[in-house]
Amino acid sequence: DAKTTQPNSMESNEEEPVHLPCNHSTISGTDYIHWYRQLPSQGPEYVIHGLTSNVNNRMASLAIAEDRKSSTLILHRATLRDAAVYYCILRDLGTGRRALTFGSGTRLQVQP
Amino acid sequence: NAGVMQNPRHLVRRRGQEARLRCSPMKGHSHVYWYRQLPEEGLKFMVYLQKENIIDESGMPKERFSAEFPKEGPSILRIQQVVRGDSAAYFCASSQGPTNTEAFFGQGTRLTVV
Repeated sequence: DAKTTQPNSMESNEEEPVHLPCNHSTISGTDYIHWYRQLPSQGPEYVIHGLTSNVNNRMASLAIAEDRKSSTLILHRATLRDAAVYYCILRDLGTGRRALTFGSGTRLQVQP
Repeated sequence: NAGVMQNPRHLVRRRGQEARLRCSPMKGHSHVYWYRQLPEEGLKFMVYLQKENIIDESGMPKERFSAEFPKEGPSILRIQQVVRGDSAAYFCASSQGPTNTEAFFGQGTRLTVV
């Protein structure tokens, strides 16, 4: 499986934008980029995913580099509830392994 | 539409006992995934099942652990002869199909072995 690299931790202030980076230099053409997050004492929840184009939904935006070797999850206005571990995951939906493979993620702290 | 339901939420077992963890997927979902999260660590994939079939068990310990997803009823993760190192949070996820992009997770079962 292609590997992702994320910073261990990041800090943000409430109501400010947050940019969470992810490097995936060995990404293949059929790998989708997924983001999940895990709030304290809860199961992971889906945030967003994309293949090549930037994506927006009600939770966040996903900016994907033109060469697809990196991507950035953007939270437009962080709230205290956004404090969580954010996981960037590559998933090849075309063949082989179907399960999500979680790395160590980025622990986001949001200060009031 | 209820989400993924796991029970019990908390389970305490003495060393040597058996632990049975249940997962009811979302309605209409026939694919189930089990993960284990040790304290202060990341989620580790254990097993992927589709109704009555094990698709991928590459993350499952070879001994004492088994999983099933019968035609009727919830998926069961069974741990025999539990040891202290089995203490962890066990999460179940479900998806509608193998290529669906979103997996839905339950709240987990926290197993404590005393």
